[in-house]
Amino acid sequence: QVQLQESGPGLVKPSETLSLTCTVSAGSFSGYFWTWIRQSPGKGLEWIGNVQNSVSAYYNPSLKSRVTISGDTSKRQFSLKLTSVTTADTAVYFCARDAYPRGPIDSWGRGSLVIVSS
Amino acid sequence: SSELTQDPAVSVALGQTVRITCQGDSLRSHYATWYRQKPGQAPLSVIYIKNNRPSGIPDRFSASSSGSTASLTITGAQAEDEADYYCHCRDTSGNLVLFGGGTKLTVL
Repeated sequence: QVQLQESGPGLVKPSETLSLTCTVSAGSFSGYFWTWIRQSPGKGLEWIGNVQNSVSAYYNPSLKSRVTISGDTSKRQFSLKLTSVTTADTAVYFCARDAYPRGPIDSWGRGSLVIVSS
Repeated sequence: SSELTQDPAVSVALGQTVRITCQGDSLRSHYATWYRQKPGQAPLSVIYIKNNRPSGIPDRFSASSSGSTASLTITGAQAEDEADYYCHCRDTSGNLVLFGGGTKLTVL
């Protein structure tokens, strides 16, 4: 059964870059959209973006200028970089596997709380 | 359109039927997926691609769609169904992903 695990700093200073990595254990790495989603405290889900086949990436237009998502098939990992963070970027960041078009987002990490604070 | 709209909160009496709706232009061309999220947990899909339930999801969960509105129906709501529910689909281009703002379901 596939498992996803986020890793990275839990505290980032304003104006710096938030970096998270998701490690995928078991299952195929190809044929899925590897996805980052975040949830600010008390708020709803916000799709950040995804990468497919470690090559094609799509981003939320509202974050596109600050986001990079990349994948490393050999390491079974994909990563998120969000630049110039502010306190508004404080959130739980989930990595997930999206089986579109044949299925839903069917696997999620447990989530990683990232706080932006000086 | 790049938005999905949900009612912020809905309540239902224990054992009764409740419908949670989601509106957006993308729903005219893409099926909605529905996720349930309980406090402190990652979301979990309850319905995908028209009306499919992942393994372990009870058959009291069902979905329908008409035009730009998708609906999740819980027939005979149970206490454990109290959670936040999010609709989700692709945008009209098919490349971007949309989430509704979420509906907090209270079971009375």
